Amino acid sequence: GQQVMQIPQYQHVQEGEDFTTYCNSSTTLSNIQWYKQRPGGHPVFLIQLVKSGEVKKQKRLTFQFGEAKKNSSLHITATQTTDVGTYFCAGRGYGGSQGNLIFGKGTKLSVKP
Amino acid sequence: DGGITQSPKYLFRKEGQNVTLSCEQNLNHDAMYWYRQDPGQGLRLIYYSQIVNDFQKGDIAEGYSVSREKKESFPLTVTSAQKNPTAFYLCASSTTDRAIYSNQPQHFGDGTRLSIL
Repeated sequence: GQQVMQIPQYQHVQEGEDFTTYCNSSTTLSNIQWYKQRPGGHPVFLIQLVKSGEVKKQKRLTFQFGEAKKNSSLHITATQTTDVGTYFCAGRGYGGSQGNLIFGKGTKLSVKP
Repeated sequence: DGGITQSPKYLFRKEGQNVTLSCEQNLNHDAMYWYRQDPGQGLRLIYYSQIVNDFQKGDIAEGYSVSREKKESFPLTVTSAQKNPTAFYLCASSTTDRAIYSNQPQHFGDGTRLSIL
């Protein structure tokens, strides 16, 4: 079945350093979403990418969708302590049913002040 | 404020017991979902419902059951057949998009943490 792999599993950075998490799918995705889960909280939707090669920015966050629509990345510039949490990608293949998003296992980011 | 309410926040199950987790939303969303989150495992889909009186199995439906009698409510029952129920359970909802390959953002509740006594 469809799998979404996410790396790294953990990332520890010094405040001010950059951070990137990568998502790879075993099949072509129709779209990909990114979520952030703060410690002890629930996932919160960040963004959705739909088009091949799409790049979207939200302040210090840059999201990319690969040309083949099989990979995606989230890059945070100059991390802050407020960026702490687990970042998940979630995608659906063209063969998947409408409601079925496949989540990556997430990248847990810790930021040292 | 509109949102998703899950209750209880913590739940303990005895051996052989069925327990039901509540999920209510007032966002007027058609679609609702149940996920299980284990440490280091991400979110795995248990069941989802795109419309009232209809629901579909997700990737790990065995040992669970749901109902969708009202648009606002999507309760999850963890049956005694689920041998490893200890996990964090998240309910989510979304609007539905008529475009076949599109997905709408999912809004999550605060979760229920289920443990075995």
